[in-house]
Amino acid sequence: GEDVEQSLFLSVREGDSSVINCTYTDSSSTYLYWYKQEPGAGLQLLTYIFSNMDMKQDQRLTVLLNKKDKHLSLRIADTQTGDSAIYFCAEESRGGYQKVTFGTGTKLQVIP
Amino acid sequence: EAQVTQNPRYLITVTGKKLTVTCSQNMNHEYMSWYRQDPGLGLRQIYYSMNVEVTDKGDVPEGYKVSRKEKRNFPLILESPSPNQTSLYFCASRHERRPYEQYFGPGTRLTVT
Repeated sequence: GEDVEQSLFLSVREGDSSVINCTYTDSSSTYLYWYKQEPGAGLQLLTYIFSNMDMKQDQRLTVLLNKKDKHLSLRIADTQTGDSAIYFCAEESRGGYQKVTFGTGTKLQVIP
Repeated sequence: EAQVTQNPRYLITVTGKKLTVTCSQNMNHEYMSWYRQDPGLGLRQIYYSMNVEVTDKGDVPEGYKVSRKEKRNFPLILESPSPNQTSLYFCASRHERRPYEQYFGPGTRLTVT
């Protein structure tokens, strides 16, 4: 079945850039997503990228997609303490909202 | 305000006692889904629904049932809960053609003893 992998933990200093990486196996993905989960809260969709795009930028967020290597990354510029959270990547399979597979999540710690 | 609501938010129950977790959305979304979140495993999809009366299994459907009789509601039913179903459950909804228009509920923490 599909598999999505992320590193478990990332620590950065406030003001630096954060890069969270994700690899996936399903070559038929349509959309790939990044979500943020703050302690005790549900998931919030941060951004998404369609599978035929290479890059998407949205304010401080930059998503890069390397389809050949099945690698997705999320770059957060000028990381703030409010960015401390767990970040999940997820892929949605082709054909509509059939199956969504999440990664295990990366806990981002921002050091003041 | 766009909202996905779940009830209850917390539930402690005993093995074998049937329970239902409700989920409701106010955005007229076609797509709805249930996930469970367990430490080290991320979120895993239990069931999803693409519209009224259209449901299908996700990755971990064993022990769960769902129904979609109305567009706004998508209840999750545990006919005979077992301790391995202790988890944090999330309901989500999404617009059919606008993938950026998706929302998650606040979560239901279930403990089965």
